[in-house]
Amino acid sequence: AQKVTQAQTEISVVEKEDVTLDCVYETRDTTYYLFWYKQPPSGELVFLIRRNSFDEQNEISGRYSWNFQKSTSSFNFTITASQVVDSAVYFCALSEAMGGSQGNLIFGKGTKLSVKP
Amino acid sequence: KAGVTQTPRYLIKTRGQQVTLSCSPISGHRSVSWYQQTPGQGLQFLFEYFSETQRNKGNFPGRFSGRQFSNSRSEMNVSTLELGDSALYLCASSPRVGQGNNEQFFGPGTRLTVL
Repeated sequence: AQKVTQAQTEISVVEKEDVTLDCVYETRDTTYYLFWYKQPPSGELVFLIRRNSFDEQNEISGRYSWNFQKSTSSFNFTITASQVVDSAVYFCALSEAMGGSQGNLIFGKGTKLSVKP
Repeated sequence: KAGVTQTPRYLIKTRGQQVTLSCSPISGHRSVSWYQQTPGQGLQFLFEYFSETQRNKGNFPGRFSGRQFSNSRSEMNVSTLELGDSALYLCASSPRVGQGNNEQFFGPGTRLTVL
């Protein structure tokens, strides 16, 4: 069965600290896609990144970086030098190409990140 | 380009009533998906529409239904509301029907409160 686990419910850091949000997924498909979304207090989900299962290359975008490891079924998200504006709930999600959830996003429970000044 | 819009933003209903929520996708997007977000269950997929056809449905009772119009706008309806239907309902649009890799753009959601 498809599943996304974000074990960290809440994380609190002080501004400028680095923080890593963990994501572990389960799927039987060989082709799948992983996503990270940010949900600020306004409620709208903001797309951050998409990776496909054939591309394990890590990605860096400014202060954000993502570590995809198929061997451990993990897709972790690191924010370097965190800022107060990073405070939000972050969701990891899985979408399968051929499985029962084709085209749909299966979300983890989310990690609430609080960055204090 | 305007983003995904959802109306109304907030809604208060009583048990037993029905409700209709509306979603207008990004111009040119033909796929619309609906998600329910609650503190207990998190984000759960409701259904997906493409070209006016329901393409996929999540594990929700038949009280939850939806449709899509020829202009890709979508509505979802919940009949005989229950307290547990209180949630944030999010709509997402995508340019194409899913093969899993489509980035979905989300609207601000409709906050439904059932009293």
